[in-house]
Amino acid sequence: NAGVTQTPKFRVLKTGQSMTLLCAQDMNHEYMYWYRQDPGMGLRLIHYSVGEGTTAKGEVPDGYNVSRLKKQNFLLGLESAAPSQTSVYFCASRPGSKTQYFGPGTRLLVL
Amino acid sequence: GESVGLHLPTLSVQEGDNSIINCAYSNSASDYFIWYKQESGKGPQFIIDIRSNMDKRQGQRVTVLLNKTVKHLSLQIAATQPGDSAVYFCAETSYGNNRLAFGKGNQVVVIP
Repeated sequence: NAGVTQTPKFRVLKTGQSMTLLCAQDMNHEYMYWYRQDPGMGLRLIHYSVGEGTTAKGEVPDGYNVSRLKKQNFLLGLESAAPSQTSVYFCASRPGSKTQYFGPGTRLLVL
Repeated sequence: GESVGLHLPTLSVQEGDNSIINCAYSNSASDYFIWYKQESGKGPQFIIDIRSNMDKRQGQRVTVLLNKTVKHLSLQIAATQPGDSAVYFCAETSYGNNRLAFGKGNQVVVIP
């Protein structure tokens, strides 16, 4: 069991560029989440999914889109990156219980 | 190094001593609580959880205490070790809620 994996680990973008962050889990979890973490601000929810084919907005969804075409994958897209999106992005998943399990993170720098 | 710990409350503890990390939660409807540990450069890692029908739960070297009257949660770490140096987050949720609400975290620094 690899658990929750995230690709890539680190990326540098220029303002206006687009990219997709991939989250994969091999635990057959129904629920998946994308968070961003900034210094002193804790974890903020961007989008989440309660099952394959579903997505919902979180606390800070603007500038991001997501897709959950397969149960094991949850993609986070930035269509036009901005410096304010420089952050560490974490994916998490959970089964029916409430505990979320996190991936190792993707560090994104937007110049 | 990891920048998530900037501007966080910091607890410095001598190796071998016990640590107590506190968390005040806001939602009186919350009925499930989790403590996470985040080491530098890594994702949050589940430590222990507790439901609102309990006041105390023990794990390996860790104990979580819940005081619903004052909406307070604490994590006690026994015989703190250098590997316990990390940021610790509490999280809360309620029945039917698909989301967790996270606290901002507390930095623990273990002094050898």
